[in-house]
Amino acid sequence: DAEITQSPRHKITETGRQVTLACHQTWNHNNMFWYRQDLGHGLRLIHYSYGVQDTNKGEVSDGYSVSRSNTEDLPLTLESAASSQTSVYFCASRRQSNTEAFFGQGTRLTVV
Amino acid sequence: QQPVQSPQAVILREGEDAVINCSSSKALYSVHWYRQKHGEAPVFLMILLKGGEQKGHEKISASFNEKKQQSSLYLTASQLSYSGTYFCGTEWETSGSRLTFGEGTQLTVNP
Repeated sequence: DAEITQSPRHKITETGRQVTLACHQTWNHNNMFWYRQDLGHGLRLIHYSYGVQDTNKGEVSDGYSVSRSNTEDLPLTLESAASSQTSVYFCASRRQSNTEAFFGQGTRLTVV
Repeated sequence: QQPVQSPQAVILREGEDAVINCSSSKALYSVHWYRQKHGEAPVFLMILLKGGEQKGHEKISASFNEKKQQSSLYLTASQLSYSGTYFCGTEWETSGSRLTFGEGTQLTVNP
């Protein structure tokens, strides 16, 4: 069955380190998204991509970057981790506009 | 800019009804509804398209008021399994496939 997977599921890192969270989907979806979830803020969009070599900034993109070298993967990189980036991160994908989005199981990131 | 959901939280007894609202300051193209259980990923419930369409899913239905740029999720005869956080996700007419979510409504159904 097609799926979307995130790794790692849990990560503890130190302030200032570079961290990369992986997202891999096997649906061949063009659209992929990264969200962070914090109490009181719901799901906030970090970056998104409509296809290979396409990346766009979301509402809370400062300190994050993404790259899209193939259809299946959209890794999220924290350039220099900060305590404010402690959060649960969700990756999602969907085929096109007006279709449902499928979410990965999330990555809990703690920056100490 | 995130859509605004209300209420932020609601507590029900099994069998009671609830309404969750979602409003946008921008012209909506579609509205999505998702439910998230604690510690899990959000799960899709339904999509409503521009045009005032109403949809149903068992005892959960939703409406889309294009004039007011609002959507409402209706949960009737609530069950314990309905507990969770409900999110509306919006696509605006000018946003392409970008999907923006609200802050969520925490629903608790007690026996």
